[in-house]
Amino acid sequence: KQEVTQIPAALSVPEGENLVLNCSFTDSAIYNLQWFRQDPGKGLTSLLLIQSSQREQTSGRLNASLDKSSGRSTLYIAASQPGDSATYLCAVPHGGSQGNLIFGKGTKLSVKP
Amino acid sequence: DAGVIQSPRHEVTEMGQEVTLRCKPISGHNSLFWYRQTMMRGLELLIYFNNNVPIDDSGMPEDRFSAKMPNASFSTLKIQPSEPRDSAVYFCASSFSRGDIQYFGAGTRLSVL
Repeated sequence: KQEVTQIPAALSVPEGENLVLNCSFTDSAIYNLQWFRQDPGKGLTSLLLIQSSQREQTSGRLNASLDKSSGRSTLYIAASQPGDSATYLCAVPHGGSQGNLIFGKGTKLSVKP
Repeated sequence: DAGVIQSPRHEVTEMGQEVTLRCKPISGHNSLFWYRQTMMRGLELLIYFNNNVPIDDSGMPEDRFSAKMPNASFSTLKIQPSEPRDSAVYFCASSFSRGDIQYFGAGTRLSVL
């Protein structure tokens, strides 16, 4: 059974710092991996989707890497800003399904001015 | 496009009552997903549809839960009878196809008293 773990559960950093969020999964036979952002009381916003054949994806100050063999993904945020404060979740499809996403519990990020 | 639209945003009901949550996916998207989010269990997939057909409903907790997608632009999630443990935020998401980025609605916060 696929399990997704995110460590740490919460992280507080000063503005301007570079930071890394971690995601691990138990079954390396994944179709892709997605990183989402969730603001309090809101839905999820997709940040990056990495296909199984890719090693990384970049969008602005965000860079996500994928190492299928070790069951790990990282989300790198450069020059963090208070507006980056949110909960970040990673998700992988369950088994051979392309739609049934299994989510981690998320990392709650607080960037202090 | 206005994105995924869910209604109502908030629902407070008494135990034993029927609850119906509604979702309008993004036009042109072929896959629709219902999730439930709680503090204890995080975000869990309940059911997803592809081309209006239920593909995987293994996440539906019990027979009290049912979901329908009568056409490509509308889906409902019904709980009958509702119980206090059903209290959660219910999200609907849609994607162009099963393996693509999923776009989430703002969610329905359900409280069953």
